[in-house]
Amino acid sequence: TQLLEQSPQFLSIQEGENLTVYCNSSSVFSSLQWYRQEPGEGPVLLVTVVTGGEVKKLKRLTFQFGDARKDSSLHITAAQPGDTGLYLCAGIIYGGSQGNLIFGKGTKLSVKP
Amino acid sequence: NAGVTQTPKFQVLKTGQSMTLQCAQDMNHEYMSWYRQDPGMGLRLIHYSVGAGITDQGEVPNGYNVSRSTTEDFPLRLLSAAPSQTSVYFCASSYSWVNTGELFFGEGSRLTVL
Repeated sequence: TQLLEQSPQFLSIQEGENLTVYCNSSSVFSSLQWYRQEPGEGPVLLVTVVTGGEVKKLKRLTFQFGDARKDSSLHITAAQPGDTGLYLCAGIIYGGSQGNLIFGKGTKLSVKP
Repeated sequence: NAGVTQTPKFQVLKTGQSMTLQCAQDMNHEYMSWYRQDPGMGLRLIHYSVGAGITDQGEVPNGYNVSRSTTEDFPLRLLSAAPSQTSVYFCASSYSWVNTGELFFGEGSRLTVL
């Protein structure tokens, strides 16, 4: 059973378009993180959200944690080729610790010039 | 800054061979972990450690051993490699295992078992 479902699995868009990636679960999470991974490298943390309903912005990226802390979304405005990569959400189930951090399968984003 | 260093970057093994993937961090992090990444499967936790002398199993521990004799090092051992262990392995560390801290990843070790 995949506790964190990410959608879509693949996304190919043109430069300048907007997009949203989703991370959903039936479990409650104490926190959710988003990572970006480029080919041949390890994932790099983009953001951590810990409060239900929380919205965080990182330049053109907007992250939201659902009110019930079961889901999260990542919205990119005016995507650029440099946004290309694998986006992973990761969460710690409520009451757990880092040893209980689980990852979604990822959304592979390709932004064409 | 070195961060998390993994060696080797690439390795080819024959079925039944043993090897050790090395991981070292220079950030004095308490928490260290090993993940494997397979196409369509995401990152899956193999083993983790919350401090020197303390290790625990993750989601997919079978076929792998770990030890944590120092804060800096967390090697992953494959005692008898199998083709199912062909994967990209990532070591990651974090300042604390209790709070949701940033996981710092190494660049990965690509292992092929023939």
